[in-house]
Amino acid sequence: QKEVEQNSGPLSVPEGAIASLNCTYSDRGSQSFFWYRQYSGKSPELIMSIYSNGDKEDGRFTAQLNKASQYVSLLIRDSQPSDSATYLCAVNPSGAGSYQLTFGKGTKLSVIP
Amino acid sequence: DGGITQSPKYLFRKEGQNVTLSCEQNLNHDAMYWYRQDPGQGLRLIYYSQIVNDFQKGDIAEGYSVSREKKESFPLTVTSAQKNPTAFYLCASSPPGTRNSPLHFGNGTRLTVT
Repeated sequence: QKEVEQNSGPLSVPEGAIASLNCTYSDRGSQSFFWYRQYSGKSPELIMSIYSNGDKEDGRFTAQLNKASQYVSLLIRDSQPSDSATYLCAVNPSGAGSYQLTFGKGTKLSVIP
Repeated sequence: DGGITQSPKYLFRKEGQNVTLSCEQNLNHDAMYWYRQDPGQGLRLIYYSQIVNDFQKGDIAEGYSVSREKKESFPLTVTSAQKNPTAFYLCASSPPGTRNSPLHFGNGTRLTVT
């Protein structure tokens, strides 16, 4: 059973701080990794994808991947109250089709004004 | 604008009734998926289809059925055999030709069965 683990939170950070969200996965052969943001009552929205070791930056978001340690993280700089949501980590094991995408249960982030 | 349309947004049914959730996409994606989300749980795959007239069971297919007669459409029927049908249902699609593509989600249908 391929697993994706996230701390459920809630993770509370003050406005303007850096929020750090972490995700570990069990399949060492995993090749693609995604972060989705899900507001309460809404559907997931893709915010970052990463495929290679290292950092990938997009605006205030940075995804970090370490395949040797089997973790992927998402940093949100200058956190805003509008960033308050649940963040889902998704991993595609061993380069299989997208139907094998495995989701974590999500980390709830609360940004305090 | 291209996207995935799920309807209705909210659906209420009595126990014992079948109900069909609609999913239409105009992204020209080959693959489509149905997921179920329960509070505090990850997304669980119900069914997926990679081409027209073909679909495969996911992790929790029991009590559900699908069809894929057109590329744009992938309706999900929740049958009376599904023991706990109340959930948030998400339809998704992914573009052709790449294994590592992310999923694009519709806005979801919240089904309540009493």
